[in-house]
Amino acid sequence: QSALTQSASVSGSPGQSITISCTGTSSDVGAYNYVSWYQQHPGKSPKLMIYDVSNRPSGVSYRFSGSKSGNTASLTISGLQAEDEAYYYCNSYTSSGTVIFGGGTKLTVL
Amino acid sequence: QVQLVESGGGVVQPGRSLRLSCAASGFTFSAYAMHWVRQAPGKGLEWVAVIQYDEKRKFYSDSVKGRFTISRDISKNTLYLQMNSLRAEDTALYFCARPSRVGYYYAMDVWGQGTTVTVSS
Repeated sequence: QSALTQSASVSGSPGQSITISCTGTSSDVGAYNYVSWYQQHPGKSPKLMIYDVSNRPSGVSYRFSGSKSGNTASLTISGLQAEDEAYYYCNSYTSSGTVIFGGGTKLTVL
Repeated sequence: QVQLVESGGGVVQPGRSLRLSCAASGFTFSAYAMHWVRQAPGKGLEWVAVIQYDEKRKFYSDSVKGRFTISRDISKNTLYLQMNSLRAEDTALYFCARPSRVGYYYAMDVWGQGTTVTVSS
């Protein structure tokens, strides 16, 4: 059960768009539309931002969107704001019935 | 309001046991699957275990399989994680988390504040 692969860090200026990728295998990300994304600020509990690849929970800004192609899922944040600076984690259901997280990506808003 | 409150963390020696609890309120606990997720100091999230709403199926990460047991008591609206044969690498903040809807366990939309486990001699 290796973690899903995420880039360690990404940065962007306010107002810009950024994309965070999450690469798995044909046994997890590629096999199911059960990819979720979480935002975590330091010292806080994670917050669900996207579920089932591209769905936004109630209350999450439209600036957050998700997609998937093959074994790679992506989270795009448009119109970057200072409060978006945080760690972002993807997770996926796996063919073993388990769940697996990505290693996390630190987003810096310049 | 919907709430999860973890407890039971502490400092424990390698090889010893500890039981974590997660008290649920504000929702029908018996209808939801429940997860444990942990985060080692300065590290990312690591999924630990899930229990289905009816306890018929439980799944574990390879790193804890055979050592940890997830369970629930619906009469007490409480989720548990029994941790045996603890290792230094089990040191982490342990969160319980609830999936976003009944009959589903993939995305977690309610999280507790976590309880800290430190395994050290």
